[in-house]
Amino acid sequence: GENVEQHPSTLSVQEGDSAVIKCTYSDSASNYFPWYKQELGKGPQLIIDIRSNVGEKKDQRIAVTLNKTAKHFSLHITETQPEDSAVYFCAARGAGTALIFGKGTTLSVSS
Amino acid sequence: GAVVSQHPSWVICKSGTSVKIECRSLDFQATTMFWYRQFPKQSLMLMATSNEGSKATYEQGVEKDKFLINHASLTLSTLTVTSAHPEDSSFYICSASGRRGNTEAFFGQGTRLTVV
Repeated sequence: GENVEQHPSTLSVQEGDSAVIKCTYSDSASNYFPWYKQELGKGPQLIIDIRSNVGEKKDQRIAVTLNKTAKHFSLHITETQPEDSAVYFCAARGAGTALIFGKGTTLSVSS
Repeated sequence: GAVVSQHPSWVICKSGTSVKIECRSLDFQATTMFWYRQFPKQSLMLMATSNEGSKATYEQGVEKDKFLINHASLTLSTLTVTSAHPEDSSFYICSASGRRGNTEAFFGQGTRLTVV
């Protein structure tokens, strides 16, 4: 089945800096790659996603890139703000229908 | 995005009792629902996938007799933790998808279960 690796596990940046989180997946049949933000005690919230027929997608300060050949995708957050501090999860949908999650990255943005 | 409501948001129960968690899709028909479990500071681990009107498909290592899943309608799935024990204490999260895995998944707000 699908296996998703996520790095780094923790990331600390200064306000205004950029943050990059990287994920790799194992199932070449995977075609959907969402990113979720989870705040303490809450369910994950979708922040951006990308499908396998697209190489890059941007939404204001957030962008995601996908390299299908290398089977990796990345989340880029520019001009980080303290409210961006949270746990971020990447996920991939493999041959089945369920999303398989990475282990998460705790992002801390200090002002 | 679509709205998925999960209830209750937290529950405390005694060992040996059963607890039911509801997951509702409020503004779309969820043909597929997923149940995840999350321990503190860990990732979401898929427990089972349920399609409306069918028996749930459980992941390896998840006891189907302990975690009963019912998906009787296109807007409601329930997870019942039977004969709960302290080690079942966790954060349970449901997710719903509109067509059979072909759309993005929307998550409920999660249920914090504490078994004492």
